[in-house]
Amino acid sequence: QKEVEQDPGPLSVPEGAIVSLNCTYSNSAFQYFMWYRQYSRKGPELLMYTYSSGNKEDGRFTAQVDKSSKYISLFIRDSQPSDSATYLCAMTPPGANSKLTFGKGITLSVRP
Amino acid sequence: DAGVTQSPTHLIKTRGQQVTLRCSPKSGHDTVSWYQQALGQGPQFIFQYYEEEERQRGNFPDRFSGHQFPNYSSELNVNALLLGDSALYLCASSLTEGRSHSGANVLTFGAGSRLTVL
Repeated sequence: QKEVEQDPGPLSVPEGAIVSLNCTYSNSAFQYFMWYRQYSRKGPELLMYTYSSGNKEDGRFTAQVDKSSKYISLFIRDSQPSDSATYLCAMTPPGANSKLTFGKGITLSVRP
Repeated sequence: DAGVTQSPTHLIKTRGQQVTLRCSPKSGHDTVSWYQQALGQGPQFIFQYYEEEERQRGNFPDRFSGHQFPNYSSELNVNALLLGDSALYLCASSLTEGRSHSGANVLTFGAGSRLTVL
């Protein structure tokens, strides 16, 4: 079993839709949960990260963590064509030196 | 402010050859990590360098080696290339614990070096 599993894609939605992206994990040591966005031929860029359980909102993006279920989600409201990219979840134990463990990524396409 | 820069952008090698990839970290960062991203997969941790020493290593064979220079830049070397080494190699920089204001490892990634092994 992989440490981090991400819902398979690809995912195609119309502009304005609410998008839900999800990951599960098995390592209880993970305390920080991150979402990266990767455009084609680019490196991943950090969207947001949360510590332990709870919600965090940043504009149209909301990250949720449920540690009891080992389940994390990223919601995108009012999706835009510019949101079309690959979304990667990543997790790490505490500590600024800790390595990140990534999910496989899901490719999102937002149709105009 | 330049972010993480990597070179070369693309390269093609044949099996058995050796390759060196280069990375300049974001200004102010002191730690460099390397990740391998195969097509359709998430990045996999190769190793992390700090103060010119390898501090952590992922599950990669000894064919993968690295170096960090006094100016914090880094190189990734892969010997005896295999077809399965074809991937996007990502360099990421960060601040070491104690200098970082975050409890998490907040990485800034470069655009990557795409290696094709024929």
